[in-house]
Amino acid sequence: AQSVTQPDIHITVSEGASLELRCNYSYGATPYLFWYVQSPGQGLQLLLKYFSGDTLVQGIKGFEAEFKRSQSSFNLRKPSVHWSDAAEYFCAVGAPGGSYIPTFGRGTSLIVHP
Amino acid sequence: EPEVTQTPSHQVTQMGQEVILRCVPISNHLYFYWYRQILGQKVEFLVSFYNNEISEKSEIFDDQFSVERPDGSNFTLKIRSTKLEDSAMYFCASSDALNTGELFFGEGSRLTVL
Repeated sequence: AQSVTQPDIHITVSEGASLELRCNYSYGATPYLFWYVQSPGQGLQLLLKYFSGDTLVQGIKGFEAEFKRSQSSFNLRKPSVHWSDAAEYFCAVGAPGGSYIPTFGRGTSLIVHP
Repeated sequence: EPEVTQTPSHQVTQMGQEVILRCVPISNHLYFYWYRQILGQKVEFLVSFYNNEISEKSEIFDDQFSVERPDGSNFTLKIRSTKLEDSAMYFCASSDALNTGELFFGEGSRLTVL
């Protein structure tokens, strides 16, 4: 079965600084990969997804993520963080041809200092 | 923009009581899901539902849990006899495709069992 590890529980950055949130997955083949964001009081919203093809994926709100098969990683990046990016970020993995249902990590809480 | 709506947003109940959490998925979606998140832990898959029957469930989804789509719009999760460890945020999600893993989530229902 697939699994996801988000090693950072909390990340604190200053507004305007760059951001990288880490995600490692475990799956025997090329998985489907997702990043979701949960702002306070709201549901999870899809930021971006990777199914195949170009390993650098662009998402909404200026986010991007890069699939690195050799490292089993799918890290989320943003070049300049805004205060409104403060939220909980979840990485998820789905198994094409198997259990397509996404398996989530525990989430990383992003705190943005002014 | 269509969205998944969940009620109630917060419910407090006594141990042993029955609880029903309600969800209205996006209208043209065919696949429905329940996830839960115990405070500080991962977002965990509970059950998926398609064509009026459970298509997949996790080991968490035991006989105390049931799901139903009583009419054309609602999708409910029932917990027959709540336990303290059922305290969590419960998320409903829906999707329009089986094999993409792209889910649309509601804002969640927080269940507190005393």
